[in-house]
Amino acid sequence: TQLLEQSPQFLSIQEGENLTVYCNSSSVFSSLQWYRQEPGEGPVLLVTVVTGGEVKKLKRLTFQFGDARKDSSLHITAAQPGDTGLYLCAGGGTSYGKLTFGQGTILTVHP
Amino acid sequence: GAGVSQSPRYKVTKRGQDVALRCDPISGHVSLYWYRQALGQGPEFLTYFNYEAQQDKSGLPNDRFSAERPEGSISTLTIQRTEQRDSAMYRCASSLLGGPYEQYFGPGTRLTVT
Repeated sequence: TQLLEQSPQFLSIQEGENLTVYCNSSSVFSSLQWYRQEPGEGPVLLVTVVTGGEVKKLKRLTFQFGDARKDSSLHITAAQPGDTGLYLCAGGGTSYGKLTFGQGTILTVHP
Repeated sequence: GAGVSQSPRYKVTKRGQDVALRCDPISGHVSLYWYRQALGQGPEFLTYFNYEAQQDKSGLPNDRFSAERPEGSISTLTIQRTEQRDSAMYRCASSLLGGPYEQYFGPGTRLTVT
């Protein structure tokens, strides 16, 4: 069974601060996706990484896939209140369409 | 274009009753997924289809849960003899193809078993 552990589970910061969310596993994943979910809505894809060591930037968000494709991180620079939400990492495995989600990180950015 | 739709949005049922949850994916999407999500947690995989073929049902908790997608479009997740522990948000997602492609999630069906 493939598991993804996210940390921290909760993060409460002030506007302008930087933060990093981690996603770790003992299993290798063929791809890693990050989603953001707002209350009452379904998750929305932020990025997909497929190559070990890959780094992708999306405005103030930087995503990294570990060299061994077992872990990933999401770094947000100068957080804003609009970044508030549930951040989820999801790994693609041997069953091509199946995603294994982490338990999520609830981020609150205070103005 | 329309996104993924699910019905009903809310379902309250009594223990022991059967329920059917419906998912209408984005038109043209080959792959359809069912998840269960607890509040503030990540979705838990249940099953997925490519076209009408069920590719993986390893996440279905037990044989009371079943899913079908007979014409490769709309899917139904059926829970027989519901129990209180089945209460959860059930989410459907679809993607153009299986694999590392974006999954588009529906609004979910909140199931409450009393």
